[in-house]
Amino acid sequence: ELKVEQNPLFLSMQEGKNYTIYCNYSTTSDRLYWYRQDPGKSLESLFVLLSNGAVKQEGRLMASLDTKARLSTLHITAAVHDLSATYFCAVRTAGGTSYGKLTFGQGTILTVHP
Amino acid sequence: GAGVSQSPRYKVAKRGQDVALRCDPISGHVSLFWYQQALGQGPEFLTYFQNEAQLDKSGLPSDRFFAERPEGSVSTLKIQRTQQEDSAVYLCASSLALSPAGLPNTGELFFGEGSRLTVL
Repeated sequence: ELKVEQNPLFLSMQEGKNYTIYCNYSTTSDRLYWYRQDPGKSLESLFVLLSNGAVKQEGRLMASLDTKARLSTLHITAAVHDLSATYFCAVRTAGGTSYGKLTFGQGTILTVHP
Repeated sequence: GAGVSQSPRYKVAKRGQDVALRCDPISGHVSLFWYQQALGQGPEFLTYFQNEAQLDKSGLPSDRFFAERPEGSVSTLKIQRTQQEDSAVYLCASSLALSPAGLPNTGELFFGEGSRLTVL
């Protein structure tokens, strides 16, 4: 059974600081996704990582994937208040009859304060 | 609209009542998923449709849960004889099964805003 673990689960950051959220998963996967969720809202897709070594950046967020280590990171640079949200990683089971079913981590609640 | 639409957004049910939650996916999306998100948790898979065929219902927690997508577009998740532990947000997501020509299929899921069910 595929397990996805994120850490930390809670992250309180000062504006302007850098930090990294980690996502570990237990079995082989070919795709990894990062989503953002604001309170009472749905999940917004941030990044799709399709291969080992993939790195994607959007604004102050950068995501990377190491399929050999079964690890993805979401790095936050110079945090601003607007980044406060819950961040989820999700992993797709590789190969076979995979049809896109994703397994999610527990989420990391990020709070950015002045 | 252009996104995944779900209704009702909020539903309060007395224990034992039946509820029906509706999902209208993005036009042209073949794949449709239902997820359950408990408070403070990540979404958990319930069931998957490809067009009208329900190919995976392994995540449905009990036989009180039933989903259908009879014409391959709108889907309904029905919960019979609701229990307090059914209280959660039910998320619907859709995805292209096949990529446009020349583009990789990312498998990205597009989520609706969810239906928040509270069972008293």
